[in-house]
Amino acid sequence: AQRVTQPEKLLSVFKGAPVELKCNYSYSGSPELFWYVQYSRQRLQLLLRHISRESIKGFTADLNKGETSFHLKKPFAQEEDSAMYYCALNARSQGNLIFGKGTKLSVKP
Amino acid sequence: DSGVTQTPKHLITATGQRVTLRCSPRSGDLSVYWYQQSLDQGLQFLIQYYNGEERAKGNILERFSAQQFPDLHSELNLSSLELGDSALYFCASSARQGGTEAFFGQGTRLTVV
Repeated sequence: AQRVTQPEKLLSVFKGAPVELKCNYSYSGSPELFWYVQYSRQRLQLLLRHISRESIKGFTADLNKGETSFHLKKPFAQEEDSAMYYCALNARSQGNLIFGKGTKLSVKP
Repeated sequence: DSGVTQTPKHLITATGQRVTLRCSPRSGDLSVYWYQQSLDQGLQFLIQYYNGEERAKGNILERFSAQQFPDLHSELNLSSLELGDSALYFCASSARQGGTEAFFGQGTRLTVV
């Protein structure tokens, strides 16, 4: 079954601390993965896509096919990073994006 | 601004009623997706249309239906509303069929009282 798992509902860190938001996927094929961010229940915004290997707002994510993971990382968290983060898988055979349940990141001053 | 427009932004209605949510995709995008976001269920995929045809169905109730019109805008119809239908309803669009990068609208916040 195609599935995205984000094991942590809530992650709380202090400003300046490193952050890692976990994402594991299940997909029979070559995956296409994304991270979306949602501030205060506003629209979801694309943060990263694995194929571009870019760094946005200091966040990076590396696809690890062996561990079927796509964890989101940032070395030094900022208060403005506080938001909901969703990992998503392009389920081509189903024709839609499959989202994980999301992780709420809270960065404390 | 993602280019995806949803109306209305807020909607308050009574149980048993019917409402229609509207979505205009980004210019040129052929695919439209509908998602429901409730506090306890997270982001749930409802349905996808591509160039006017239904292409994928998720956890959409029989009381809900959707369509995509020739001008590519889409409507999500919710009927016999229940308190549990209160949620944020997001529309997203993408250029291609098959769940590639999607751009989201700002959502319609539905409150059923």
